[in-house]
Amino acid sequence: AQKVTQAQTEISVVEKEDVTLDCVYETRDTTYYLFWYKQPPSGELVFLIRRNSFDEQNEISGRYSWNFQKSTSSFNFTITASQVVDSAVYFCALSEIRAADEDDDKIIFGKGTRLHILP
Amino acid sequence: GAVVSQHPSRVICKSGTSVKIECRSLDFQATTMFWYRQFPKQSLMLMATSNEGSKATYEQGVEKDKFLINHASLTLSTLTVTSAHPEDSSFYICSARAGTGSYGYTFGSGTRLTVV
Repeated sequence: AQKVTQAQTEISVVEKEDVTLDCVYETRDTTYYLFWYKQPPSGELVFLIRRNSFDEQNEISGRYSWNFQKSTSSFNFTITASQVVDSAVYFCALSEIRAADEDDDKIIFGKGTRLHILP
Repeated sequence: GAVVSQHPSRVICKSGTSVKIECRSLDFQATTMFWYRQFPKQSLMLMATSNEGSKATYEQGVEKDKFLINHASLTLSTLTVTSAHPEDSSFYICSARAGTGSYGYTFGSGTRLTVV
């Protein structure tokens, strides 16, 4: 069965500090996608990244970086030099890749980490 | 980029009435759309998978007769909450997969339903 665990329920850091959000996943599949989404107070989900299980390269996008460690089934997300606008709930998610019926795949979300950036 | 439009963004209805939420893919065709529900400070829970032209697939514990899903075209899926009760008050969000490219899944902006 698939499962995504975000052990950190809530984190508060002072602006400009770096912060890492943890994500650990479980799946029996060898091929899957991992995602991070941001949900600001307004509620909409903002796509941040999708990572294919074949690609273990870490990724950096501006102040955001992601560390994918297949050996530990983790896909952690780091924000460097945090800003108040980064305050939001961040969800890690997992989706299997089914080549034969790819339209039927679905995303399983972690419980989210509520991030507070204090000015 | 792929855009999913969800309406209404907020709705307040009386207990016992029905509410319809629309989810439209604006610039792509979505053979499959997904409906999620989110309680305050909780994660998104998948309710059902909506397939164009066929019956929706509901997750365990989701009442089919309570949450009617219709996917009549490749760009529109609707969720109708029938005979709404206060416990149905929640944030409902839809998503669609815009192919296998980098867009991945695109989410609507969500609908906050309050049943009074």
